Amino acid sequence: QVQLQESGPRLVKPSETLSLTCSVSGSSLTSYYWTWIRLTPGKGLQWIGQIYFTGTTNYNPSLESRVTMSVDSSKNQLSLNLSSVTAADSAIYYCARDSGMFGADYWGRGTLVTVSS
Amino acid sequence: DIQMTQSPSSLSASIGGRVTITCRASQGIGIDLGWYQQKPGQAPKRLIYAASSLQSGVPSRFSASGSGTEFTLTISSLQPEDFATYYCLQHYTYPHTFGQGTKLEIK
Repeated sequence: QVQLQESGPRLVKPSETLSLTCSVSGSSLTSYYWTWIRLTPGKGLQWIGQIYFTGTTNYNPSLESRVTMSVDSSKNQLSLNLSSVTAADSAIYYCARDSGMFGADYWGRGTLVTVSS
Repeated sequence: DIQMTQSPSSLSASIGGRVTITCRASQGIGIDLGWYQQKPGQAPKRLIYAASSLQSGVPSRFSASGSGTEFTLTISSLQPEDFATYYCLQHYTYPHTFGQGTKLEIK
C-alpha cells in the first residue's frame, strides 16, 4: 500500500523559507515523478512542480524562482523548499506520486502551512 | 499554461441521484486527464485516469468520458460517501493544471 506523508513546520515567518519533507512508504522512488501541489482558498489546487527520481525537475513558472525540490532515495523522501514566502503561500501542501503516463495516482493527506509573523 | 475550466463550481443532489461535472481545456490535451475526489482532512483520491479509465477499487457508479478539450465525470446513484469536492487535472503539458473544483453537496 503506497502511502505518502508530508511533514514540516506549520508556521513560517514572511520572507523566510518554507521547508517540507514527504516520506514515502510502499513504493520506491525509482521510475516515478514526485509532485508537490498546494491548496489555497483563493486559488484552489496549484501544481508547484515535480521531480523525477533521477533529480530532473519541472517547476511551475509562477513559482520557479523560489522553488527547489530534491529526492533522497536512501531515505525514500522528497523535499520542497519555497523561499521568500508571503501570506499568499499559506496553504495545504501535498506530495503525490506521478507515473508520468497516467498522472498523479497516490497523494499524501497534506500539511497546513501558515505564513505569519 | 493550459486553463482547465470546471463546471459547475457547486452542485446539490439527492442520494440516489445522478450528477455530471465538466472540464474544458483551453487547448487539446488528448486523454491526459484525471479526476480526483477530495474530502476534508483526507488525501485526494484518484477516481479516473486517462480520461475514462476507472481506478482500481473505485465503484462503477463513477464514469468519465472525453478527449481533446471536453471531459465529463458522471456519478450515478449517489451515495452518502460521494459528497465531496471533485477536481480534474491535466498532465498533458507543464505546468500541470487543475480545474477549480466542484463541491457536491447533499440536497
